[in-house]
Amino acid sequence: AQSVTQLDSHVSVSEGTPVLLRCNYSSSYSPSLFWYVQHPNKGLQLLLKYTSAATLVKGINGFEAEFKKSETSFHLTKPSAHMSDAAEYFCVVSESFGNEKLTFGTGTRLTIIP
Amino acid sequence: NAGVTQTPKFQVLKTGQSMTLQCAQDMNHEYMSWYRQDPGMGLRLIHYSVGAGITDQGEVPNGYNVSRSTTEDFPLRLLSAAPSQTSVYFCASTNRVNGYTFGSGTRLTVV
Repeated sequence: AQSVTQLDSHVSVSEGTPVLLRCNYSSSYSPSLFWYVQHPNKGLQLLLKYTSAATLVKGINGFEAEFKKSETSFHLTKPSAHMSDAAEYFCVVSESFGNEKLTFGTGTRLTIIP
Repeated sequence: NAGVTQTPKFQVLKTGQSMTLQCAQDMNHEYMSWYRQDPGMGLRLIHYSVGAGITDQGEVPNGYNVSRSTTEDFPLRLLSAAPSQTSVYFCASTNRVNGYTFGSGTRLTVV
């Protein structure tokens, strides 16, 4: 069975400093992994996805994530935080062939300090 | 703009009432899903469909029905609303190449 654990429920960083949001996953097969962002009272937007190609995945808005099979991790990073990055971030895993079943982590709320 | 359209955006129901949440996509995506979002729990899969005429249960299907008569539409029916179904509901679709595209959500309150 697939599962995902987001290690921090809340992360605060100062504007201009690096962002690290941590995610560990569990999967019986070679999973697909995603990061989604949700701004307040909005829907979810795909930041990036990993589907067994390059282990370092670049996404939108300067975010990237590295797939580490030995550590079963898929941490999200950004070199320099902007105020507009304040949002809820979800790590998502899918081991179904067509990715029709997504399993979400419980989310990490990112706060940016001016 | 192309995407996933959900209606209504807000709804208040009384316990025992029934209603249908509408979801439509214009991207010709095969796969569609319904999720509910509750505080501290992320999103949980209710039902999904891999094509017209094909549906299956997700993690939390009890109290909900779905059907998929066309590629574009995937309505979610609450048969007899309960306070435990108070949540934000998201519909999503994908062509399996890209990630899922989500609708803007329906905020449902059952009193």
